[in-house]
Amino acid sequence: EPEVTQTPSHQVTQMGQEVILRCVPISNHLYFYWYRQILGQKVEFLVSFYNNEISEKSEIFDDQFSVERPDGSNFTLKIRSTKLEDSAMYFCASSEIAQGKGELFFGEGSRLTVL
Amino acid sequence: GNSVTQMEGPVTLSEEAFLTINCTYTATGYPSLFWYVQYPGEGLQLLLKATKADDKGSNKGFEATYRKETTSFHLEKGSVQVSDSAVYFCALSSGGSYIPTFGRGTSLIVHP
Repeated sequence: EPEVTQTPSHQVTQMGQEVILRCVPISNHLYFYWYRQILGQKVEFLVSFYNNEISEKSEIFDDQFSVERPDGSNFTLKIRSTKLEDSAMYFCASSEIAQGKGELFFGEGSRLTVL
Repeated sequence: GNSVTQMEGPVTLSEEAFLTINCTYTATGYPSLFWYVQYPGEGLQLLLKATKADDKGSNKGFEATYRKETTSFHLEKGSVQVSDSAVYFCALSSGGSYIPTFGRGTSLIVHP
């Protein structure tokens, strides 16, 4: 069964460092997403990506963040100059359609710990 | 804006007990409503959905009814199993955006 895969499963970094989280969406999906969940809080939308550009982003997704689809299979989230409050579980998702009624398929998540 | 409120967990039950996990929402327009489940070590996966008022979504013995009058979409199961232990997320999408808004998740622990 096709699935979304994320790497790394857990990354520990020092404050101020750059982090890249990687995702391989399901191959025939066209829409890609990043969400994050700070421990004990809601799952928050960060950004969606379609046709090689950002289609929607939240207030959280500021200049510190960027996304890229470098090679047609990977979908990456880059976090520059990490802060303590960036510590969270980051979920990648993909979907075939984007009409509000379609299913999102999620990866297992990448846990980021900023020290 | 859109928001989802779920009951806080963990919810701890014995096997074969009745489960209710409450979810209420605030949304513009006529949202679609979802329950996602995350089993240990796995990603979130869609459990069930309902796209209009009074619809009942069901899957794997779980049910939820879209109640517009109470803006609720409570998840129920008549007899839980140990294998149902997971985190359950209520979500909605509406307002012309296809981006689902999620709650914080409710952890369910089922003991034998």
